[in-house]
Amino acid sequence: GAVVSQHPSRVICKSGTSVKIECRSLDFQATTMFWYRQFPKQSLMLMATSNEGSKATYEQGVEKDKFLINHASLTLSTLTVTSAHPEDSSFYICSASGVGGAGGTEAFFGQGTRLTVV
Amino acid sequence: GQQLNQSPQSMFIQEGEDVSMNCTSSSIFNTWLWYKQDPGEGPVLLIALYKAGELTSNGRLTAQFGITRKDSFLNISASIPSDVGIYFCAGRVSGGTSYGKLTFGQGTILTVHP
Repeated sequence: GAVVSQHPSRVICKSGTSVKIECRSLDFQATTMFWYRQFPKQSLMLMATSNEGSKATYEQGVEKDKFLINHASLTLSTLTVTSAHPEDSSFYICSASGVGGAGGTEAFFGQGTRLTVV
Repeated sequence: GQQLNQSPQSMFIQEGEDVSMNCTSSSIFNTWLWYKQDPGEGPVLLIALYKAGELTSNGRLTAQFGITRKDSFLNISASIPSDVGIYFCAGRVSGGTSYGKLTFGQGTILTVHP
């Protein structure tokens, strides 16, 4: 199957600093990437959808100035958590999908990034 | 918005037993997907279903797309310890502004005792 690589897998940062998380599709061109947030023992909550070369679409309640998303190429999307605070600590997961199939190829997920803000 | 109700929330079974979990929705989905997530990892796709009534197998896993397009189930036969994890159903409405966007169920935590 297709490979989506997310980096870093774990990050600890100080409150008030910014953190960038990268999501790369290694063997296919991802026209669409999705960013999720997951709390312990809970489901995935979609934060935003990004299409290559255009602005991300954020879900209701997600602050776009807080969670900056860039999808500048067909293989890379980044999520920057700006001025991070302890309540931003969570597991962030990206997924990427290409073009084709019934309604689009299935999205493949990255390994996730455990963010801890201290 | 669309919501998926996944049950059961958790299951504790003995190795060798069969497992069944399901998802229901108040609205129609055109695609149903089943994922497994191991601790600290991203979800991995197990089975994808694209047509109402479709029954698909992947090894010991079998999933069906409900005929009403509002539900799906996943069965695991002869469970083994490595089946432990969280299983998620996900639905997708193709087309329009929801293209590609998945709605996830709450997850089923599976524990298998040797």
